[in-house]
Amino acid sequence: DQQVKQNSPSLSVQEGRISILNCDYTNSMFDYFLWYKKYPAEGPTFLISISSIKDKNEDGRFTVFLNKSAKHLSLHIVPSQPGDSAVYFCAALNTGTASKLTFGTGTRLQVTL
Amino acid sequence: GAVVSQHPSRVICKSGTSVKIECRSLDFQATTMFWYRQFPKKSLMLMATSNEGSKATYEQGVEKDKFLINHASLTLSTLTVTSAHPEDSSFYICSARRGGRGETQYFGPGTRLLVL
Repeated sequence: DQQVKQNSPSLSVQEGRISILNCDYTNSMFDYFLWYKKYPAEGPTFLISISSIKDKNEDGRFTVFLNKSAKHLSLHIVPSQPGDSAVYFCAALNTGTASKLTFGTGTRLQVTL
Repeated sequence: GAVVSQHPSRVICKSGTSVKIECRSLDFQATTMFWYRQFPKKSLMLMATSNEGSKATYEQGVEKDKFLINHASLTLSTLTVTSAHPEDSSFYICSARRGGRGETQYFGPGTRLLVL
């Protein structure tokens, strides 16, 4: 049962444009969400997070939006840069329980020149 | 940001041998460490959660006798793959959490295990 889903396995965006990565979840008990960036053969790197009490969190070029009613979150990267090319994982957890991260399947972002 | 290291980064071993992977939090004390496994083109699969000084909690389907986890200190956790088989070949990643339940996990760079 995939509780966190990233339905787009890949995305290609031109440099300078906006990249939008989407994530859906099914478990209404999740109250904290994170985005990680991962290069091949490396561990994930934390990018940005958002608590369920917010609907937006911004950090430089990265903004995460949360729509609780739709159980949907998205990561916006603007402007996109070639160095952003990587696999992006969204993750969710319930801070009230064991706090295990549940990861989505990832979206491979390719930023082209 | 917080730094987590893993050693070795890559290991090749013969079938039947045991392999130990170390995970260290370099600049913070990790109350909880997690071990993940990533299959090709798949999500990260949580194997177990370990708290310093106590037994690890394994996820369903993960053999505790196969994957031994020790969290001896607040900065070190080890994963030992016992009697490794080719199907254990994978990318193993640890993460460490600094504080309470809401804290972000910081990931190590991963260890590529190849069992021949």
